Amino acid sequence: EPEVTQTPSHQVTQMGQEVILRCVPISNHLYFYWYRQILGQKVEFLVSFYNNEISEKSEIFDDQFSVERPDGSNFTLKIRSTKLEDSAMYFCASRDQTGSSEAFFGQGTRLTVV
Amino acid sequence: GIQVEQSPPDLILQEGANSTLRCNFSDSVNNLQWFHQNPWGQLINLFYIPSGTKQNGRLSATTVATERYSLLYISSSQTTDSGVYFCAAGDYKLSFGAGTTVTVRA
Repeated sequence: EPEVTQTPSHQVTQMGQEVILRCVPISNHLYFYWYRQILGQKVEFLVSFYNNEISEKSEIFDDQFSVERPDGSNFTLKIRSTKLEDSAMYFCASRDQTGSSEAFFGQGTRLTVV
Repeated sequence: GIQVEQSPPDLILQEGANSTLRCNFSDSVNNLQWFHQNPWGQLINLFYIPSGTKQNGRLSATTVATERYSLLYISSSQTTDSGVYFCAAGDYKLSFGAGTTVTVRA
């Protein structure tokens, strides 16, 4: 069964450093998402990406965040200057071109900012 | 955006018991999914169920879209069913509920 894969599974970074989280969505999917879950809290939407541009973003997704689909297979989330409060589980998701279809989630990347 | 409320927030069960988790959502949606978050934090997809009823082993789910709620049934619970269950609803993006933490005691 096709799956969304995320790397790394766990990343520790120093405050102020740039970090890139990587995702490989399911190959024929066209909609891509990043979600975040701070420890003990609910999963929150960050950004959606379609047709090589951001289609929607939340208030959390400020200028420190950016997304890119550099090569037609990877989908990345970059945090330019990490803060302690960026420590969270980050989930990538994808869905096919039918907007109402099921979203498939990756296993997540646990980011720890120290 | 869509508001998603889950109840109860916590559920303690004896092994072998049955239970029902509820998810209410504030507006019509095209997508509703149930997830189980495992101890490693991974979201395990249980059901994609924007309407109707589905069953998978000891788990089943029903969504009544016209009344904006979904139910997840766990039958003959086992200790491995412990964890947090999330409901998520929406169209092009998902809004998650706060989850129900299920503890199954042997």
